[in-house]
Amino acid sequence: GENVEQHPSTLSVQEGDSAVIKCTYSDSASNYFPWYKQELGKRPQLIIDIRSNVGEKKDQRIAVTLNKTAKHFSLHITETQPEDSAVYFCAASGGYQKVTFGTGTKLQVIP
Amino acid sequence: DADVTQTPRNRITKTGKRIMLECSQTKGHDRMYWYRQDPGLGLRLIYYSFDVKDINKGEISDGYSVSRQAQAKFSLSLESAIPNQTALYFCATSDPGQVKETQYFGPGTRLLVL
Repeated sequence: GENVEQHPSTLSVQEGDSAVIKCTYSDSASNYFPWYKQELGKRPQLIIDIRSNVGEKKDQRIAVTLNKTAKHFSLHITETQPEDSAVYFCAASGGYQKVTFGTGTKLQVIP
Repeated sequence: DADVTQTPRNRITKTGKRIMLECSQTKGHDRMYWYRQDPGLGLRLIYYSFDVKDINKGEISDGYSVSRQAQAKFSLSLESAIPNQTALYFCATSDPGQVKETQYFGPGTRLLVL
């Protein structure tokens, strides 16, 4: 089955700096890569996603990049703000759309 | 998302007890999932169901069972709870008809097994 690795497990950045979270996947059949944000005490919610036919996608301060050859995808958050503090999960999904999640990155934005 | 609900929200039980966690959704989605979340281990899939007659094991199904009573209801049972089943449990739904397979999570059930 699919295996998704996520790094780092924790990340601290100063407010206004950028944050990058990286994931790798194992199954070359995976074609959908969502990112979920989980605020403290809340449920995970989708923040951005990318399909395998696209190399990059941007939504305001967040962007996701995908390298299919290397089976890498990354989340980039620019101009970080305290409300970006949360746990972020990457995930990969293949043709049958069962999603495999990474282990999560706890992002702390220091004011 | 208020359309996916879980009961109970918190539960304390003792080793060996049978417990059931319930999930209901009003989103009309066919697909439902049960995950457990542990610190450092992310969200791990326990069971999933793509329609009422379909039940599939996930990566960590041992010690758990499920029942899909209707399109809107998916229950998770621990037949004989053990302490390492202490975790945060999430139910989720998705709609295969959507262009993107977004997972909509319930609020979670925090389970403590003593």
